[in-house]
Amino acid sequence: EADIYQTPRYLVIGTGKKITLECSQTMGHDKMYWYQQDPGMELHLIHYSYGVNSTEKGDLSSESTVSRIRTEHFPLTLESARPSHTSQYLCASSEWGGTGIGGNTIYFGEGSWLTVV
Amino acid sequence: SQQGEEDPQALSIQEGENATMNCSYKTSINNLQWYRQNSGRGLVHLILIRSNEREKHSGRLRVTLDTSKKSSSLLITASRAADTASYFCATSGNTPLVFGKGTRLSVIA
Repeated sequence: EADIYQTPRYLVIGTGKKITLECSQTMGHDKMYWYQQDPGMELHLIHYSYGVNSTEKGDLSSESTVSRIRTEHFPLTLESARPSHTSQYLCASSEWGGTGIGGNTIYFGEGSWLTVV
Repeated sequence: SQQGEEDPQALSIQEGENATMNCSYKTSINNLQWYRQNSGRGLVHLILIRSNEREKHSGRLRVTLDTSKKSSSLLITASRAADTASYFCATSGNTPLVFGKGTRLSVIA
């Protein structure tokens, strides 16, 4: 079972509000990721990190930002939420190494469902 | 893009039947992984097959990989109602895993 935790699980906020989605893992993984997924749709990688002080943008452009000050913590922040940000946000992590940068098993949190009204 | 594409998009079968899902991709890969997602939850890793492997088994799961055709298949034997979920393939090369759109499997009791 994966030791990766996301809070909050469900959140409804008003347009223009600032929100931070928390993600923590206790597996000591160097690599962490944020995916965005609309119901019944594909996952889109929006941010990833190879370790402390490393952050990269993913395939899908996102107005969110991330930080990686500690290995176990990878929060995602929306400075001014809009209805278009309504979605499920999935945090994940994996070990460093293996066959290639993306080679290892990814462990996912349970997701944060964000609704912006 | 290394994104895999699953086929079919949706599959409905009776309990006890076998379910087969396919994944195609476009570029060379180091490995291919299959994940399951129950409704409203995160993804759970099922199985990883490396580019130099052709077949792999795990319990009721059987995965094949054909690098010449750039395709993989996931077979779930003797399906159960609890197998109802979305199944995603993910390919990796030199960038983080990229997931396809998934196959939604419904197993009817």
